[in-house]
Amino acid sequence: DAKTTQPNSMESNEEEPVHLPCNHSTISGTDYIHWYRQLPSQGPEYVIHGLTSNVNNRMASLAIAEDRKSSTLILHRATLRDAAVYYCILLEYGNKLVFGAGTILRVKS
Amino acid sequence: NAGVTQTPKFQVLKTGQSMTLQCAQDMNHNSMYWYRQDPGMGLRLIYYSASEGTTDKGEVPNGYNVSRLNKREFSLRLESAAPSQTSVYFCASNPRGQGNTEAFFGQGTRLTVV
Repeated sequence: DAKTTQPNSMESNEEEPVHLPCNHSTISGTDYIHWYRQLPSQGPEYVIHGLTSNVNNRMASLAIAEDRKSSTLILHRATLRDAAVYYCILLEYGNKLVFGAGTILRVKS
Repeated sequence: NAGVTQTPKFQVLKTGQSMTLQCAQDMNHNSMYWYRQDPGMGLRLIYYSASEGTTDKGEVPNGYNVSRLNKREFSLRLESAAPSQTSVYFCASNPRGQGNTEAFFGQGTRLTVV
């Protein structure tokens, strides 16, 4: 399974944008970049995914570097409810969903 | 609109006891997963099932067995529970072989082995 590297933790102020980075230098051409988050005491939940182009949905945006070796999850206005562990995962056709350590996001009011 | 349902939500076992954690999904997904999450840690894959009748070991399979009873259900069995198996267990599902789809998770089973 291709590996990802994320910072252990990040901090943000409420109502400000948050950029969560992920490095995946060994990504293959068929790997999708997925982001999940886990709120305290809950199961993980899907946030967003993409292959080559930037993606937007109601929760977040995903910016993918042109060489696909890195990506950034963007939360446009962080709220206290966004405090969670964010996982960047590479998922290829037919492969298993394997989690890394993730980034702990703390949001300050 | 159930998604992934896990039972039970909480369980306390004595060392050496056995039990089965149940997981069912109603989304017609082929792939199902069992993870464990120890306090302050990330999720580790225990077993994976790509389709009915197939299972594959994950990162930490020792001490566990699984059964993919049908397309909907994927159970995890602890034959002889140990304190090291105290953890929160999550079940998940997603359409097989499609990297461009999302996975859905259950709410977890909190297991304590004393």
